[in-house]
Amino acid sequence: QVQLVESGGGVVQPGRSLRLSCAASGFTFSSYAVHWARQAPGKGLEWVAVIWYDGRNEYYADSVKGRFTISRDNSKTTLYLQMSSLRAEDTAVYYCARQTDAWGYNYFDYWGQGALVTVSS
Amino acid sequence: QVVLTQSPSASASLGASVKLTCTLSSEHSTYAIAWHQQQPKKGPRYLMKIDSDGRHTKGDGIPDRFSGSSSGAERFLTISSLQSEDEADYYCQTWAPGIYVFGTGTTVTVL
Repeated sequence: QVQLVESGGGVVQPGRSLRLSCAASGFTFSSYAVHWARQAPGKGLEWVAVIWYDGRNEYYADSVKGRFTISRDNSKTTLYLQMSSLRAEDTAVYYCARQTDAWGYNYFDYWGQGALVTVSS
Repeated sequence: QVVLTQSPSASASLGASVKLTCTLSSEHSTYAIAWHQQQPKKGPRYLMKIDSDGRHTKGDGIPDRFSGSSSGAERFLTISSLQSEDEADYYCQTWAPGIYVFGTGTTVTVL
C-alpha cells in the first residue's frame, strides 16, 4: 500500500535551517508529482511546495519562496524540503502528499502522518 | 486568486446525515475540488474529487456513505449514517497553474 513517512522535524532557532525528508513506498515514486503542505497549531492546511515527477519543475507558496527548496531523489524514493531562514510563523506540522499524476496541477490522493517543526529560541 | 469558503462547523446525530458545502469564488465556479478528512491527531486522508458536473472520484477504501455533488459554484460532501469516527475536520482543496488552495475547514461533531 502507498506509504509516505516524514522525518527530520524538531526544534530549531529562528534564522537557522532544517531539512525534512519523506520516504515513499508502495508505488512508483518516479511517476508522481509530490508536495509539501503544513498546518500551524490549531490552524488549517496550507500548501507549501510541489515538485514534478522528474524534478524539473517546482512551485512554491509565496510565504516560503526564496527560503525553502523542494527536491527529490527518485533512486531513493525520497522527497526533501530544505528550510532556511526559519521564522516563528513556520512552526507547523509538515506533511508530504502525493499528487494523483506525474505533472501539471491536480489533487492530492495520499498523505503522510506529518513531522512537527518548532521554530523557537 | 481562487478562494474556497467553508462553514466552520456542522453537527448531526449518530446515524443521521450531514451535508458540507465548499463554495468557489465566482470567477472560478467551474473548478473541480477535492475533499480531505482529518481525524483528531492524524494526517489528512483523501476522500473524493468532485467535478463541476457532479462526477466524483473516491479514494481507496472510502465507504459508500460518503458521496459528493455539485451545483454552480458549490461543491458538496454528504456523509450518511454518521459514525463516531466521522467526527473530524473536513477540508476542500482546489488547484490552478502554480498554486494549490485549501478551504478553512469544517469541523463535524457527531451528537
